Amino acid sequence: QQPVQSPQAVILREGEDAVINCSSSKALYSVHWYRQKHGEAPVFLMILLKGGEQKGHDKISASFNEKKQQSSLYLTASQLSYSGTYFCGTRIVFGNEKLTFGTGTRLTIIP
Amino acid sequence: NAGVTQTPKFQVLKTGQSMTLQCAQDMNHNSMYWYRQDPGMGLRLIYYSASEGTTDKGEVPNGYNVSRLNKREFSLRLESAAPSQTSVYFCASSDTGFYGYTFGSGTRLTVV
Repeated sequence: QQPVQSPQAVILREGEDAVINCSSSKALYSVHWYRQKHGEAPVFLMILLKGGEQKGHDKISASFNEKKQQSSLYLTASQLSYSGTYFCGTRIVFGNEKLTFGTGTRLTIIP
Repeated sequence: NAGVTQTPKFQVLKTGQSMTLQCAQDMNHNSMYWYRQDPGMGLRLIYYSASEGTTDKGEVPNGYNVSRLNKREFSLRLESAAPSQTSVYFCASSDTGFYGYTFGSGTRLTVV
């Protein structure tokens, strides 16, 4: 079952912040985040493991709440280069590498 | 470092025709995957291979077959193409453990 992402789309001005959420109906072992620009392949951003850790990647960070089966991606002081569609991918079993992806959140940054 | 290479990049098929999508990775990854991407539906797993010699069905395997030829190569075959298989197909690979996927550049397939 696909994780649910929200919002489906968001438009921001440069410098504004955004939060993208990913919720699962199943217990999660780990969550991946990817960004895909139009016409290109998805690119890996980060992985979070159960344990409630938070990770950072430049001005992009994420958290993982395993009790709520949710992860959130935080984009701070957004730049034009952050535009694209963001996908979360969830893994429910340790040792099985396959991911189930959400339907994506389209982020548009305007000057 | 090529990463994951997919061929072809574009293909148009007539209904009922067959074709094979090729994927090769040069990162010595154990796991390889085939996903399809349709508007509004995200990436859906067709088949995956956890290691050389093994393959397993994903969410949407009907109408497809796969072969893990060796550690490097993982091909996807459409035996009798249908318009519902019009999509963008991505191959990906990953190492075992806590690593992200590396995706190929995709194959845009249209079935008419």
